Amino acid sequence: GQQLNQSPQSMFIQEGEDVSMNCTSSSIFNTWLWYKQDPGEGPVLLIALYKAGELTSNGRLTAQFGITRKDSFLNISASIPSDVGIYFCAGQLAHGGSQGNLIFGKGTKLSVKP
Amino acid sequence: DAGITQSPRHKVTETGTPVTLRCHQTENHRYMYWYRQDPGHGLRLIHYSYGVKDTDKGEVSDGYSVSRSKTEDFLLTLESATSSQTSVYFCAISATGGRLSNQPQHFGDGTRLSIL
Repeated sequence: GQQLNQSPQSMFIQEGEDVSMNCTSSSIFNTWLWYKQDPGEGPVLLIALYKAGELTSNGRLTAQFGITRKDSFLNISASIPSDVGIYFCAGQLAHGGSQGNLIFGKGTKLSVKP
Repeated sequence: DAGITQSPRHKVTETGTPVTLRCHQTENHRYMYWYRQDPGHGLRLIHYSYGVKDTDKGEVSDGYSVSRSKTEDFLLTLESATSSQTSVYFCAISATGGRLSNQPQHFGDGTRLSIL
């Protein structure tokens, strides 16, 4: 099946640092979504992107829909301890995908630097 | 919270037994989804519903059935549970209209299902 490559798989953050993660694919997408999941809870939608080049912010979070429509990026500025968790990207295929069927990345786990 | 309740939150059962998970929403949203989450696989769509009695298969639908007799309830059934169906199951909903009308906007807190 279709796959999204999300990287990095995990990273450690120190309070105040900026964080970047991304999702790439060989397929073209017409929607990108970014979610955050805390332990024991369901994912929470952070940002939705709908066209190539779109840059959208939600507080300290900024996400971009790649120009090629095959990738997306999420940046967190000035990280704080409550940013820890797992971040998922998800994309809706431009061709061949069924309605309602998002493809999810495998997640980027943010932890606090020891 | 978006008004999604999953029940049960945890369940342990034996191979071959039937299992039904329930998702209840108070938002009157049209779309409802069932996902499973497994290490190394992220979230994968099992089935979704776009209205009462209107359902369709997702990526990993084999071994699962669903029913939606009321707007607020979406049931996921494992007719004969297998160990490969041990997972965390999430229900999600989305509203009608707008760009996100057919994508999951709000997730429940999950059901952890163990099949021995």
